[in-house]
Amino acid sequence: EDQVTQSPEALRLQEGESSSLNCSYTVSGLRGLFWYRQDPGKGPEFLFTLYSAGEEKEKERLKATLTKKESFLHITAPKPEDSATYLCAVQAETSGSRLTFGEGTQLTVNP
Amino acid sequence: EPEVTQTPSHQVTQMGQEVILRCVPISNHLYFYWYRQILGQKVEFLVSFYNNEISEKSEIFDDQFSVERPDGSNFTLKIRSTKLEDSAMYFCASSEGGLYGYTFGSGTRLTVV
Repeated sequence: EDQVTQSPEALRLQEGESSSLNCSYTVSGLRGLFWYRQDPGKGPEFLFTLYSAGEEKEKERLKATLTKKESFLHITAPKPEDSATYLCAVQAETSGSRLTFGEGTQLTVNP
Repeated sequence: EPEVTQTPSHQVTQMGQEVILRCVPISNHLYFYWYRQILGQKVEFLVSFYNNEISEKSEIFDDQFSVERPDGSNFTLKIRSTKLEDSAMYFCASSEGGLYGYTFGSGTRLTVV
């Protein structure tokens, strides 16, 4: 069974204080790992897809990296508007097109 | 930017009643999905739909659930006889396929009383 575990559950940062979110996964053949941002009462908003170990992608203050067992979402000099829940999801080679999500990390950035 | 539109945003229904949740996927997308998120829990896969048929479904998607693409633009999820435990946020999503990220709608909050 595909499993995704995210840590920490919640993270409070001061504006400008860089940090990383972790996503550990267990799948029978990774087809892709996805990062989403979710604001309260909204649907997940796509950020990145990572396909293979060693890959990195960046978007503004966010940078996602991938190893064979985990992915990190690095947030550099965050701003209050980066406050959201960040979701990690995997798509496995054996599970068609479904995504298996983690519980998410709730990020709060204080001004 | 293209978006997935869901209606209604909030629906309250009596236990045992049928509900239909509606979605308009992005027009050039070929794959359509329903996910749900019970309050405080993770987003869970329900069903995927491609070429006018279900391509995959989860254990949650039992005989009480059905999906339909009644015309070229709408994609619906029907729950025949709602239960209290069906209360959740239901998200529709669409994608071009492959490893392109899904685009999710804003969701329908279903409350069963």
